[in-house]
Amino acid sequence: QQPVQSPQAVILREGEDAVINCSSSKALYSVHWYRQKHGEAPVFLMILLKGGEQKGHEKISASFNEKKQQSSLYLTASQLSYSGTYFCGTEINYGQNFVFGPGTRLSVLP
Amino acid sequence: GAVVSQHPSRVICKSGTSVKIECRSLDFQATTMFWYRQFPKKSLMLMATSNEGSKATYEQGVEKDKFLINHASLTLSTLTVTSAHPEDSSFYICSAREDAAGNQPQHFGDGTRLSIL
Repeated sequence: QQPVQSPQAVILREGEDAVINCSSSKALYSVHWYRQKHGEAPVFLMILLKGGEQKGHEKISASFNEKKQQSSLYLTASQLSYSGTYFCGTEINYGQNFVFGPGTRLSVLP
Repeated sequence: GAVVSQHPSRVICKSGTSVKIECRSLDFQATTMFWYRQFPKKSLMLMATSNEGSKATYEQGVEKDKFLINHASLTLSTLTVTSAHPEDSSFYICSAREDAAGNQPQHFGDGTRLSIL
């Protein structure tokens, strides 16, 4: 079952912050975050496995809620290079049923 | 590290032709490889998952006889689009993962843009 992502699209000015959400109706085994630029392959950002987990660094980080049904990706002080489509990918079971969300298109303007 | 090479990057061919796409993990052993199809401005749609030495697991609605997948070694998987027709035109992209568990990332190839005339 495909996870839900919100917002569908967001436009920012350089230096602004953004939050992208990914939610599932079922508890998840893992959440993956990827960024894809137009015409390119998706690039891995991070994986979250544990409820309540937060990881990443100062500029790009993510959290996974305690129920393991929602994850959020935080983009702080955005840069032009952050532009692209962000996908979350989720797994309900160990090594199975991996599904990408519909994506969130992020545009960072100068 | 973790480089995945996908070839060819672009194919243009006539209707009825079979097309083979290769996906290689260059610096790691890929227990699992995934094949996706992506339409413009859409998400990646999983077509099938393959584990080395096993038959591929196809997603619902994906024709096994149309999209033949072979994962003969830990570094190579191939997707063959048999008797391709214009509706098969799309962006096909593979990914490879080092083990079957969910705590390893998928590393993606650069994709193959397939155009059937």
